[in-house]
Amino acid sequence: AQSVTQLDSQVPVFEEAPVELRCNYSSSVSVYLFWYVQYPNQGLQLLLKYLSGSTLVKGINGFEAEFNKSQTSFHLRKPSVHISDTAEYFCAVSAKAAGNKLTFGGGTRVLVKP
Amino acid sequence: EAQVTQNPRYLITVTGKKLTVTCSQNMNHEYMSWYRQDPGLGLRQIYYSMNVEVTDKGDVPEGYKVSRKEKRNFPLILESPSPNQTSLYFCASSLSQQSAGNNQPQHFGDGTRLSIL
Repeated sequence: AQSVTQLDSQVPVFEEAPVELRCNYSSSVSVYLFWYVQYPNQGLQLLLKYLSGSTLVKGINGFEAEFNKSQTSFHLRKPSVHISDTAEYFCAVSAKAAGNKLTFGGGTRVLVKP
Repeated sequence: EAQVTQNPRYLITVTGKKLTVTCSQNMNHEYMSWYRQDPGLGLRQIYYSMNVEVTDKGDVPEGYKVSRKEKRNFPLILESPSPNQTSLYFCASSLSQQSAGNNQPQHFGDGTRLSIL
């Protein structure tokens, strides 16, 4: 079984400042890793994913994440946030042998202040 | 436009009154899934379907039923809703896990907010 922990439930940040959202996972097997974003009253949209290869993954809207196998982490970063980045962000894992099943973290709500 | 469509988007109902939330996708995806989202818990899988007539329990299946008679539709049925099923529900779909050797990202609907009084 897999589990995902997002260490911060809320992150307030000023516009144009950098932001880092932390994600740690546990799994006894190899996993794929994802970050999803949920804007108010909308479904989830894929930001980026790590399947294999380079541990630094670039996604949409200027976000990137780094896979660290030894620390079992997949932290999400953006060097300069905009008001429009206000949303809830979910880290998720999928065991490579378990097909499409996603296990989600509890979410991190990002509030960008002017 | 590729999309996953859920109906209704909002529903307030009473304990014990059967309800169905519909989900339809137009991408010819084999895999479909239902999640519920609760504060602090993220999304938890209720049921999933690998293809037509193939369904299986997720992590929190109690109190729910599903069916997959056609590839595009995957309704979620609450036979006797209870207040602890008040939640935000999402349907998702993706290509089969067997395609391309890659994990295919899931496409999500816009959600259905259910309130059971």
